[in-house]
Amino acid sequence: NAGVTQTPKFRVLKTGQSMTLLCAQDMNHEYMYWYRQDPGMGLRLIHYSVGEGTTAKGEVPDGYNVSRLKKQNFLLGLESAAPSQTSVYFCASSYLLRGTGFQYFGAGTRLSVL
Amino acid sequence: AQKVTQAQTEISVVEKEDVTLDCVYETRDTTYYLFWYKQPPSGELVFLIRRNSFDEQNEISGRYSWNFQKSTSSFNFTITASQVVDSAVYFCALSEAVKGEYGNKLVFGAGTILRVKS
Repeated sequence: NAGVTQTPKFRVLKTGQSMTLLCAQDMNHEYMYWYRQDPGMGLRLIHYSVGEGTTAKGEVPDGYNVSRLKKQNFLLGLESAAPSQTSVYFCASSYLLRGTGFQYFGAGTRLSVL
Repeated sequence: AQKVTQAQTEISVVEKEDVTLDCVYETRDTTYYLFWYKQPPSGELVFLIRRNSFDEQNEISGRYSWNFQKSTSSFNFTITASQVVDSAVYFCALSEAVKGEYGNKLVFGAGTILRVKS
């Protein structure tokens, strides 16, 4: 049972380049989330999804887009990367139980934008 | 809006000392959940505990214990007889059952870096 898998684990981009981060979960969870972690700021929610085909903005959505075409996958896209998007990105998933919040996290993707 | 404050940015202790990590939260909801996660140097997030707002009983798990006090909006975490392997960043988080919205949105504190020296 792989749980939550993030691809890639590391990436270096140049300013203006685009890329997509892939999150895959094999637990049949309804909810999926993308967070970013920056020093001294904890994790902040970028976007989340309550089910296939549905996404919503979190706390820091600007500069990112997401898609949930399949229940098991949640993609995070950067259309034109900026140095401010250098961060560690975590994906998570959870059961369809509003508010209980128990989220399973992936191992993270370390992104550097030069 | 909900908020989680971990006032201790970094704590250093010597092995076998007890250490308490503070967490203070703000929420207007009556139903909510509190969490602690550990992030070791390898970077992954490790779930430690979840506590709902209706359960104020303290919890002990081995060397770990948690003190939830609704009256002071605090959910503190104590490690007894700390070990070098406890060195990590510890995050406190809050999830609300927000009416009319979907998703279990977690709000994290900034984290506390714990360094345990041998």
